[in-house]
Amino acid sequence: GAGVSQTPSNKVTEKGKYVELRCDPISGHTALYWYRQSLGQGPEFLIYFQGTGAADDSGLPNDRFFAVRPEGSVSTLKIQRTERGDSAVYLCASSLSGASGRSEQFFGPGTRLTVL
Amino acid sequence: SQQGEEDPQALSIQEGENATMNCSYKTSINNLQWYRQNSGRGLVHLILIRSNEREKHSGRLRVTLDTSKKSSSLLITASRAADTASYFCATQYSGAGSYQLTFGKGTKLSVIP
Repeated sequence: GAGVSQTPSNKVTEKGKYVELRCDPISGHTALYWYRQSLGQGPEFLIYFQGTGAADDSGLPNDRFFAVRPEGSVSTLKIQRTERGDSAVYLCASSLSGASGRSEQFFGPGTRLTVL
Repeated sequence: SQQGEEDPQALSIQEGENATMNCSYKTSINNLQWYRQNSGRGLVHLILIRSNEREKHSGRLRVTLDTSKKSSSLLITASRAADTASYFCATQYSGAGSYQLTFGKGTKLSVIP
């Protein structure tokens, strides 16, 4: 079946602009995660959804970052007033369940965000 | 912050040789997972080892886990050029926030044909 998909694959924007990054998880996966990966680093956790609700948003760096998952499937990561330091690859993952901490996470190809 | 630390940071070997990568972590875990990443994009799940397991095999991959030393190793046998990628270990905690994956910085493996 289809894996996790993310759009766009690349996004170039100017400092101060607003961007939205979309994630389509694997059908039937209730848990969804966003990670951010800077150059030369491993991915870092941003936010976790169980169903429609954000169960843990402790990884969001500041209040310019926000994510939604209104129907418990597709999720959108929103970044306001982008800064050059926001440039990174944003990865989305989904799993069958999240609460047990034992369900494998499947990753999408990522969105490479470049803020000029 | 990242919990895992991979060692070495970069590894270059000839095709057919074995590649060993190590990972150390700091807190109690539910499980440890290894991922492969090509060209800085999507992560591919390779293998998961639970905290009560010591060794696991999958094809040419062998993973060990030593919870007393808080370390794991990934062995790729008979390497191929297609194995060239970055390899990350990721841990899931046994406490609050156990759904998160905490990644290390990765080992960049180059397999020379």
